[in-house]
Amino acid sequence: EAGVTQSPTHLIKTRGQQATLRCSPISGHTSVYWYQQALGLGLQFLLWYDEGEERNRGNFPPRFSGRQFPNYSSELNVNALELEDSALYLCASSSIWTSDNEQFFGPGTRLTVL
Amino acid sequence: QKEVEQDPGPLSVPEGAIVSLNCTYSNSAFQYFMWYRQYSRKGPELLMYTYSSGNKEDGRFTAQVDKSSKYISLFIRDSQPSDSATYLCAMRQTSGTYKYIFGTGTRLKVLA
Repeated sequence: EAGVTQSPTHLIKTRGQQATLRCSPISGHTSVYWYQQALGLGLQFLLWYDEGEERNRGNFPPRFSGRQFPNYSSELNVNALELEDSALYLCASSSIWTSDNEQFFGPGTRLTVL
Repeated sequence: QKEVEQDPGPLSVPEGAIVSLNCTYSNSAFQYFMWYRQYSRKGPELLMYTYSSGNKEDGRFTAQVDKSSKYISLFIRDSQPSDSATYLCAMRQTSGTYKYIFGTGTRLKVLA
């Protein structure tokens, strides 16, 4: 069974640009979560999508947005990039058939903003 | 004050030692407590989760929750070099708005 996949692995952008990160959940999983892991700050919850709908978002500005497609894959968009957006962005998925405490993580996309 | 506090380490121990990793929290509404392991350049993987107070054992790993003290622990027995990783605690409420909070992680090095 394939795990959660994310693309690209690395992304380098400059301040003010937009970044798009992609995530494919485990087959059969309908929930996708996005986290930001910045140095020294741990994982910060960004967004939760389930069945195509945004269910909740963390304490991030509106320039962080995303969507979930009918095949349950997801996209995270970060507009007007700032230097402090440099971080590892992790996607996780879960299924109604497993405990929603059990989130399966992808390897992440490392975003560097210059 | 952060909702979840975790010592970042690094924690270095000799192979075979018993390792104790800990987190404290301030939100008494947390009911589910998780431990994740994250190897370098990988995403976190769930090791164990516990509901409410008590102990849970899985092989060499034991998770302990003391809700009265708002303190959780992960013990690793007979530690191996392959246990070298960052260990993240996480916790969430049972209901209401989604709230899943991670600690900053503790880096563990098990020396051969």
